[in-house]
Amino acid sequence: KNQVEQSPQSLIILEGKNCTLQCNYTVSPFSNLRWYKQDTGRGPVSLTIMTFSENTKSNGRYTATLDADTKQSSLHITASQLSDSASYICVGWHNNDMRFGAGTRLTVKP
Amino acid sequence: NAGVTQTPKFRVLKTGQSMTLLCAQDMNHEYMYWYRQDPGMGLRLIHYSVGEGTTAKGEVPDGYNVSRLKKQNFLLGLESAAPSQTSVYFCASSYVVGGPYNEQFFGPGTRLTVL
Repeated sequence: KNQVEQSPQSLIILEGKNCTLQCNYTVSPFSNLRWYKQDTGRGPVSLTIMTFSENTKSNGRYTATLDADTKQSSLHITASQLSDSASYICVGWHNNDMRFGAGTRLTVKP
Repeated sequence: NAGVTQTPKFRVLKTGQSMTLLCAQDMNHEYMYWYRQDPGMGLRLIHYSVGEGTTAKGEVPDGYNVSRLKKQNFLLGLESAAPSQTSVYFCASSYVVGGPYNEQFFGPGTRLTVL
């Protein structure tokens, strides 16, 4: 069964610090992997998408990396802000079938 | 553009009652989806539609029905609500279903409680 697992489940950091969120997936063959940000009480919003041929992509302070060999992706947030407090969801695609990770809940404290 | 909208935002039902959740999108997307989100779990696909007049089952379709009579609307129905259907429901739409351009745009969600 295709699975997408994220770690940690939750993370608390101080404003201005960096952090890295992990996503391990078993969807195969791999099509693409997308990261979403979900603010509390809102729907998810896409941050970035990566295909198997890409190993890094940036969107402002967010940088996603992908290792297709180990089937791991990470989302690195630089110089965190209070507005980064949200859940971050990894989604893997396999032949038009998508699997959502349970998400990492990030809290940025002043 | 409003994007994807959902009504209602909140609803409380008693076991056995029925209701319909409405999703509307103004992006002319062909594909629409209904998900449920439960604590500690990823979004799970209930039903989806690849175009007007078509629907298909997702991962957790039991207890739900859907209809897509118009391209811009996707309805989710609960005929006889059960406490296990207490969840947050999200509607989404996309231009394509696969490939690198498969970004799904989500609505704000409907929080449903079944007592």
